[in-house]
Amino acid sequence: TQLLEQSPQFLSIQEGENLTVYCNSSSVFSSLQWYRQEPGEGPVLLVTVVTGGEVKKLKRLTFQFGDARKDSSLHITAAQPGDTGLYLCAGEANPGTYKYIFGTGTRLKVLA
Amino acid sequence: NAGVTQTPKFQVLKTGQSMTLQCAQDMNHEYMSWYRQDPGMGLRLIHYSVGAGITDQGEVPNGYNVSRSTTEDFPLRLLSAAPSQTSVYFCASRRGTTYEQYFGPGTRLTVT
Repeated sequence: TQLLEQSPQFLSIQEGENLTVYCNSSSVFSSLQWYRQEPGEGPVLLVTVVTGGEVKKLKRLTFQFGDARKDSSLHITAAQPGDTGLYLCAGEANPGTYKYIFGTGTRLKVLA
Repeated sequence: NAGVTQTPKFQVLKTGQSMTLQCAQDMNHEYMSWYRQDPGMGLRLIHYSVGAGITDQGEVPNGYNVSRSTTEDFPLRLLSAAPSQTSVYFCASRRGTTYEQYFGPGTRLTVT
């Protein structure tokens, strides 16, 4: 059974601080995605990484896919209260199968 | 362009009752899927479809049925509701040639 473990589970930080969220597995994924979910809403896709070692930036968010395609990280620089939410990683084991495994999520709260 | 829509938004069922959760998308996406989200467990794939007439089981399919007679619609049927099916259900869709997956707003189901 493929699993994606996220850490930390909860994170409460002050506005302006930096943070990193990790998504780890013992399995290889063909692609890995990061989503943000706000209360009462569905997840919204932030980024997809597909190549081992790939780094993508989205404003203050930096995403990295591990060289072996088994892990990923999300780094937020100078966090803002608007970054508050549940961050989920999701992996697709084989391309084109449309079978995603989701991590358990990291709940981030950024205090003003 | 409504994206992915789900109805109802909230539902309360008694044990043993059946019902259908509706999901529709207007983006002509080939791929559609159903997930359930429970506290501390992230999203788990129930059933998915890669095109009209084609469905397959995900991680937690027991107690649920699906069919895909059109590209736009992907209903999820609960055959005989059980308290263990209390959850938030999300429908998602994606074009087969891209990675961008879009989620609906969710249906919160309580089974008493």
